Amino acid sequence: DAGVTQSPTHLIKTRGQHVTLRCSPISGHKSVSWYQQVLGQGPQFIFQYYEKEERGRGNFPDRFSARQFPNYSSELNVNALLLGDSALYLCASSLVGSTDTQYFGPGTRLTVL
Amino acid sequence: GEDVEQSLFLSVREGDSSVINCTYTDSSSTYLYWYKQEPGAGLQLLTYIFSNMDMKQDQRLTVLLNKKDKHLSLRIADTQTGDSAIYFCAEFPSNTGKLIFGQGTTLQVKP
Repeated sequence: DAGVTQSPTHLIKTRGQHVTLRCSPISGHKSVSWYQQVLGQGPQFIFQYYEKEERGRGNFPDRFSARQFPNYSSELNVNALLLGDSALYLCASSLVGSTDTQYFGPGTRLTVL
Repeated sequence: GEDVEQSLFLSVREGDSSVINCTYTDSSSTYLYWYKQEPGAGLQLLTYIFSNMDMKQDQRLTVLLNKKDKHLSLRIADTQTGDSAIYFCAEFPSNTGKLIFGQGTTLQVKP
């Protein structure tokens, strides 16, 4: 069975641009969560979506947004990129939202110049 | 509050046991997790323990939970060079849907 997939693998943007990251959950999983991992730190929670609705949001500015599609895949959008947005963005999928084990994808490495 | 603390670095010799420690703060956490991250990769789920358990063993991995002290440990028996990675402890506060991670412990295994 395919695990969590994310695209693209790597991305380079400049300050002020916007970016869209994509995630496909494990087949049968209905919840997707997004995390930001800055170099040298543990992942920080950004969003959780379950059944296409936002179920949780971390302490991130409104420049960060996400959505979940009917096939349970998800997009994370970041507007007006800052140098500090450079990080590994991780997507995790779980069966349902608030209680199930989360399985992570390989991540998208975003570099903002 | 929500906070998870781990020591930053551990070095062991191949064949020895490794013990990685973690403290957490949220007593509502139903599950506690250990994830492994190799360079440039995502997080691999290693194991987890339910909060009403004291110990869980899974092949070379042993997880110990002291709920009173909010202390979690991961023991890796017969540590191999392939175990070299960053290990993250994470709490999962009840009904929040979010994992709270520590800063990670880098395990270095010397031949």
